[in-house]
Amino acid sequence: GQNIDQPTEMTATEGAIVQINCTYQTSGFNGLFWYQQHAGEAPTFLSYNVLDGLEEKGRFSSFLSRSKGYSYLLLKELQMKDSASYLCAVWDTNAGKSTFGDGTTLTVKP
Amino acid sequence: EPEVTQTPSHQVTQMGQEVILRCVPISNHLYFYWYRQILGQKVEFLVSFYNNEISEKSEIFDDQFSVERPDGSNFTLKIRSTKLEDSAMYFCASRRTSGSPIDTQYFGPGTRLTVL
Repeated sequence: GQNIDQPTEMTATEGAIVQINCTYQTSGFNGLFWYQQHAGEAPTFLSYNVLDGLEEKGRFSSFLSRSKGYSYLLLKELQMKDSASYLCAVWDTNAGKSTFGDGTTLTVKP
Repeated sequence: EPEVTQTPSHQVTQMGQEVILRCVPISNHLYFYWYRQILGQKVEFLVSFYNNEISEKSEIFDDQFSVERPDGSNFTLKIRSTKLEDSAMYFCASRRTSGSPIDTQYFGPGTRLTVL
């Protein structure tokens, strides 16, 4: 089966750093993606991790530990426009699809 | 930058009617997907399509649903007899290859389907 867990909601202050965690238990794993989704819009790709470790991309970083079934998305220097849902998705090559978590709604306050 | 496009952006229909949602994937992509997202819920996989046939489908994708690539550019999702619970955002996605996760899925802007 597929099980992907993320916190439902998080709140942080503009300029701060926030870490959004994702744990997964899936029958197949070939990579983990993070997407950002604003209300009423499509998911937009932020990052992916295939191997263990940290991938940095500007203000966003993503970390993966395959042995622990764990990933996090780190957002630095938060801006108001970062208020959105952040979706963790596991890619399974054998199944040929992404399985999404429920998403974490991040609210950035002044 | 190439992008996935979808039409219409919003479709309103009566229960029991047929709808066709259209997508134009990125031109050099080979794998195509439909996902849906009911308001306030997570993105759910419906179906994947490669080489003119379905490669994977979820439990949601029952006999009411069908997909087609009628020409070299369009990829369509048909719902034969819509139900109230089909109301959702439907996202099309495409991907260049399947073997490597580096070729990420690119999502279209979505079609909001409202069934009355």
